Amino acid sequence: SAVISQKPSRDICQRGTSLTIQCQVDSQVTMMFWYRQQPGQSLTLIATANQGSEATYESGFVIDKFPISRPNLTFSTLTVSNMSPEDSSIYLCSGLRDSIGQYFGPGTRLLVL
Amino acid sequence: QKEVEQNSGPLSVPEGAIASLNCTYSDRGSQSFFWYRQYSGKSPELIMFIYSNGDKEDGRFTAQLNKASQYVSLLIRDSQPSDSATYLCASSNTGKLIFGQGTTLQVKP
Repeated sequence: SAVISQKPSRDICQRGTSLTIQCQVDSQVTMMFWYRQQPGQSLTLIATANQGSEATYESGFVIDKFPISRPNLTFSTLTVSNMSPEDSSIYLCSGLRDSIGQYFGPGTRLLVL
Repeated sequence: QKEVEQNSGPLSVPEGAIASLNCTYSDRGSQSFFWYRQYSGKSPELIMFIYSNGDKEDGRFTAQLNKASQYVSLLIRDSQPSDSATYLCASSNTGKLIFGQGTTLQVKP
């Protein structure tokens, strides 16, 4: 498996503010991704975090709302900007280890009031 | 629209029985398929992945893939109450995962 940590584990935020989530993976990971899991739903891919360059966003997700950085191979951040209650979700970082599989961090549970 | 479809359940089986979870996918370009288990309040845990037609066994779990029918399944033998969880099927092309809605499995003692 892969060792993946995220912080914060949970947060309660006011609307209009921003939150940055950090993800640290072990060195065996080649690709990193960010997913969202809304209450009672499955996981939706937000973007692929690319090392040293702009992330690749999926349809429905934009950089202005979800800026992502990956300054090195093992670290990435996701910012949820100008939050609204609809952003209340679990945000999950994942790492892909070639021929082994894709593993998820523990998640960040975000509640926006 | 690339989709992965699962019956949301709940699927209820008695302890010791075989649980059969099914999944279909629409993208013929999908290369690998994954089964994750997710307990309430926890993040998904990888159970198995498969990329070749046929069966792949790991302990009590067997994954089956039929690319011609675009069908993936997961069999859980000797089901235990601790197997009660949501099982997520995912397809992958170039590393990105597309998830189904998940099937809730209930194993009753």
